[in-house]
Amino acid sequence: GENVGLHLPTLSVQEGDNSIINCAYSNSASDYFIWYKQESGKGPQFIIDIRSNMDKRQGQRVTVLLNKTVKHLSLQIAATQPGDSAVYFCAENSGGSNYKLTFGKGTLLTVNP
Amino acid sequence: NAGVMQNPRHLVRRRGQEARLRCSPVKGHSHVYWYRQLPEEGLKFMVYLQKENIIDESGMPKERFSAEFPKEGPSILRIQQVVRGDSAAYFCASSPATGQGRSPLHFGNGTRLTVT
Repeated sequence: GENVGLHLPTLSVQEGDNSIINCAYSNSASDYFIWYKQESGKGPQFIIDIRSNMDKRQGQRVTVLLNKTVKHLSLQIAATQPGDSAVYFCAENSGGSNYKLTFGKGTLLTVNP
Repeated sequence: NAGVMQNPRHLVRRRGQEARLRCSPVKGHSHVYWYRQLPEEGLKFMVYLQKENIIDESGMPKERFSAEFPKEGPSILRIQQVVRGDSAAYFCASSPATGQGRSPLHFGNGTRLTVT
């Protein structure tokens, strides 16, 4: 399953499928990007980050791709599980310190068993 | 959410009352950050504090909102004379230092403020 930009804030996939969540950013000076997962009633949980000198970074079952040319970021989740159901936020930062993050509006991922 | 503790988890206030939100950072962390999340939106930066100092409050509303991080005890976000628009989830994160290092912020589970 795949969503395009922030115009489709929900994504529904079948358990076991791969998920792709997209994020467009506007600040060309942004040089640090983070994906967070937020479950209902909880705080954002760090998933993976990437610096602008990279275009791909892999974690456990997750991959983040960065395309600076078109200012686009994506999160790929392999073999999506019901426990992956949550809202996913991309966040960007510029300026050398990490505290002033700009968050996107989020994408709700629903995994159907 | 690794060790950042926020309380209360839920807070209900009537319009005009004061709200006090507390954040205990990870042990040994001297930097605290407050963010606000309106319903169905991403988090927005409010303020960055070090012990006894406000470093960056560019995201704080100019009136009714204040924050402190005393030498001893938790960081406090204080909202005076609350209005319905203050209803939101308020999240805190902490770090040992900022500056040249790039490490992600880890957030607590937040305080959900409801103004009736």
